[in-house]
Amino acid sequence: AQSVTQLGSHVSVSEGALVLLRCNYSSSVPPYLFWYVQYPNQGLQLLLKYTTGATLVKGINGFEAEFKKSETSFHLTKPSAHMSDAAEYFCAVSGGLEKSSGDKLTFGTGTRLAVRP
Amino acid sequence: EAGVAQSPRYKIIEKRQSVAFWCNPISGHATLYWYQQILGQGPKLLIQFQNNGVVDDSQLPKDRFSAERLKGVDSTLKIQPAKLEDSAVYLCASSLDGGYTIYFGEGSWLTVV
Repeated sequence: AQSVTQLGSHVSVSEGALVLLRCNYSSSVPPYLFWYVQYPNQGLQLLLKYTTGATLVKGINGFEAEFKKSETSFHLTKPSAHMSDAAEYFCAVSGGLEKSSGDKLTFGTGTRLAVRP
Repeated sequence: EAGVAQSPRYKIIEKRQSVAFWCNPISGHATLYWYQQILGQGPKLLIQFQNNGVVDDSQLPKDRFSAERLKGVDSTLKIQPAKLEDSAVYLCASSLDGGYTIYFGEGSWLTVV
């Protein structure tokens, strides 16, 4: 079974400041990890994913995340926030190659990012 | 490439009424999912199809929710009778078999009054 914990339901940063959204996971098998973004009244859009290989993953819109197995973390960062980054961000985990878990995604509760002018 | 299509986008019904949501996945995607997203929470999987067979429906409230995917393409999610706590966004998603990238539709927003 997998689970995801997102620390901080609301994060507020100034435009141009570093964005750091925290995600910790629990998984009994090597996980696949994802970050999705949800803009108001829209569905979920994939930002980036980690499956295997390089632990630093780059995604769209300047976001990146680093898989740290020792810390069971997959935090999302962006060096400089833009107003357009204001949205809800969801971290998710799947069971990767574990057939019993399959590719079902288990989501965290989300972090709402606000960007101040 | 067309994305995952869902309809209707918005629906308001009274409790005890019924409602149905439709989903057309990305062409060629064998796996289809229905997720429920309650306000302030992350999406929760209701049911997963592989072609027209059910892979996982362990969190589907089967006394009131039903879903089908005839012919392995489009899918319909039905709620009957609806309860107030069913107010949520119902997200349909699809993926290629084993692709591990899941694409979501824009969701169907249900309000039960």
